[in-house]
Amino acid sequence: EAGVVQSPRYKIIEKKQPVAFWCNPISGHNTLYWYLQNLGQGPELLIRYENEEAVDDSQLPKDRFSAERLKGVDSTLKIQPAELGDSAVYLCASSPRRGNTGELFFGEGSRLTVL
Amino acid sequence: SQQGEEDPQALSIQEGENATMNCSYKTSINNLQWYRQNSGRGLVHLILIRSNEREKHSGRLRVTLDTSKKSSSLLITASRAADTASYFCATFTGGGNKLTFGTGTQLKVEL
Repeated sequence: EAGVVQSPRYKIIEKKQPVAFWCNPISGHNTLYWYLQNLGQGPELLIRYENEEAVDDSQLPKDRFSAERLKGVDSTLKIQPAELGDSAVYLCASSPRRGNTGELFFGEGSRLTVL
Repeated sequence: SQQGEEDPQALSIQEGENATMNCSYKTSINNLQWYRQNSGRGLVHLILIRSNEREKHSGRLRVTLDTSKKSSSLLITASRAADTASYFCATFTGGGNKLTFGTGTQLKVEL
């Protein structure tokens, strides 16, 4: 079974440029999460999807961040414009269904460096 | 925001020794989970303990949970160099279907 796939693994951009990250969850997983992980810290939730609906986006900085999960499968997280403080690892995770135990399956992450 | 804190922040031991990491959290939970993260990689689920359980074992891992103190510990017995990684506790609150991570313990196992 294929795991959660993220791309790109690494991205270096100048500040004020846009950037997008893509995530393909495990087949059949209805719930998809985007987490932000700063260096030396634990992951922090940005947004959670149940199928194509964003059910928790309270921690997503909506002035510059946006996300979508069209057709309830793949998801894209966008930052426009990027700021120096956005340098971090962006992790995507998925889980089988609503009401599960909360065990998440993570991708390898997308490491963003903003210069 | 992070739900809890882990202690110690960093731990260095010799191969064959046991490693103990502690996690404290703030709110009521449905379960508590531990994840491992190798450098530059994603997180991998290790073990889950429900709020009505006090202890759980999986291979060389032993997890305890004290809901009255809002704390948990992860014990790795007979550690190996391959156990070198960061370890995170995460609490699951079923109402919001939300998993919130702690700050992590960086474990280094030396040969």
